[in-house]
Formats: sequence, C-alpha cells, structure tokens
Amino acid sequence: ILNVEQSPQSLHVQEGDSTNFTCSFPSSNFYALHWYRWETAKSPEALFVMTLNGDEKKKGRISATLNTKEGYSYLYIKGSQPEDSATYLCAFIPGNQFYFGTGTSLTVIP
Amino acid sequence: DVKVTQSSRYLVKRTGEKVFLECVQDMDHENMFWYRQDPGLGLRLIYFSYDVKMKEKGDIPEGYSVSREKKERFSLILESASTNQTSMYLCASSIPGTGGQYEQYFGPGTRLTVT
Repeated sequence: ILNVEQSPQSLHVQEGDSTNFTCSFPSSNFYALHWYRWETAKSPEALFVMTLNGDEKKKGRISATLNTKEGYSYLYIKGSQPEDSATYLCAFIPGNQFYFGTGTSLTVIP
Repeated sequence: DVKVTQSSRYLVKRTGEKVFLECVQDMDHENMFWYRQDPGLGLRLIYFSYDVKMKEKGDIPEGYSVSREKKERFSLILESASTNQTSMYLCASSIPGTGGQYEQYFGPGTRLTVT
C-alpha cells in the first residue's frame, strides 16, 4: 500500500482568505494525480486530473499545481467562500489503482 | 450527468449477518470500484471490476466479496458482518483507461454500522 499524505489535516479560514494545501506522494512510477472535493452529505466530485509534471489546472477560484519529480501537488483556493467548506482528497495513481490521501478538511467561516 | 446510486445511506446490521451493498451507475461505465473510508485513513480499495463478471481484489478484500452480473450494477457482500466492518462504504465508476487519466464518479456512500 502506497503512502499518500495530505496536509494540513484540517483548516479553518475566514471568508475571503486565500488558502492552500498539499498532497505528497511517491515520486516514482507516476501516472496521474486527481483532486476531489467531498462536501458533507454529498458524493466526492472530481476537481482536477493531472498527468504531466508542471501541470497547472484552474477552475474558477481553485487551482492546482503538480511536481512529479519531487512528489507533491498543491491545491489553492483564492478568496475562500463558505461554499468551499469540504474535505479535499487527492489520489495518486501509479498504474491502474487509486491511492487516496486522508484529506484536508476545510471550514470557511463567514 | 453521471449518476452513481447506492441502495442505502444508512444501514445497521448485527454481527454475523450477511450484508449486501448495491451500487448502480447509469453511464455505461466499464470500471466500478468499492472503497471504505475510516477516520484517519484515506479511501481504501476493497474490490474493483473492469467488466461484467470480472473482479479484482484491492488492498483490503478480506471479509468481502463482490458480484457484477450486469454492467451497471456492482454489489459488495459482507459474508458475515463483523464490528470492524463498521465504516462508510463508497462506490465509484469510471470509463476504461490505463494510468488514471479518467476521473472516478462516486456514489453518496453507505454508512454501515455493525452491532
């Protein structure tokens, strides 16, 4: 079982603050990295699928970067809003199987 | 819109019971997965299937079996439920492809409590 680490485990920010969190994964045998958002009482939903070193993806106020050589990805949220409150999961894919981190729980305080 | 549905949101079963968790997807996806999520641990893969009647063990298959008789339905079976199988169970599906280039679509989860 591969080790995928996310930090911090939880985060509380004020509305309007920008924030970021990290996903660390083994730097060998990389195929893809996914980010998912999991809101309470809902299904996890994909944010980004990243496959190339140096990839940068953006969706509205949320963006992500990828460094496969050093084994990390950052997720950034600009100007956090209460609706951004969720658990953010990353998944490292070295082949066909997904290895998920434990997630970062974000709470945005109005 | 891809929809993955799970038969129950909450389920309470007794130790030793046989438990069926059902998952149905409506987008003709070949790949289907069963995960469990426990506090402090990431989603852990129990079983997956790349086609009808095909199954592969994930990281934690002990105590579980699966069935995929139709493309849209993937069932997780707890042969004899035990308290350590109390968990949140998530089903997912995706289109086929190697190397994780396609996202997974998740169901809402079933929170199973075994007493």
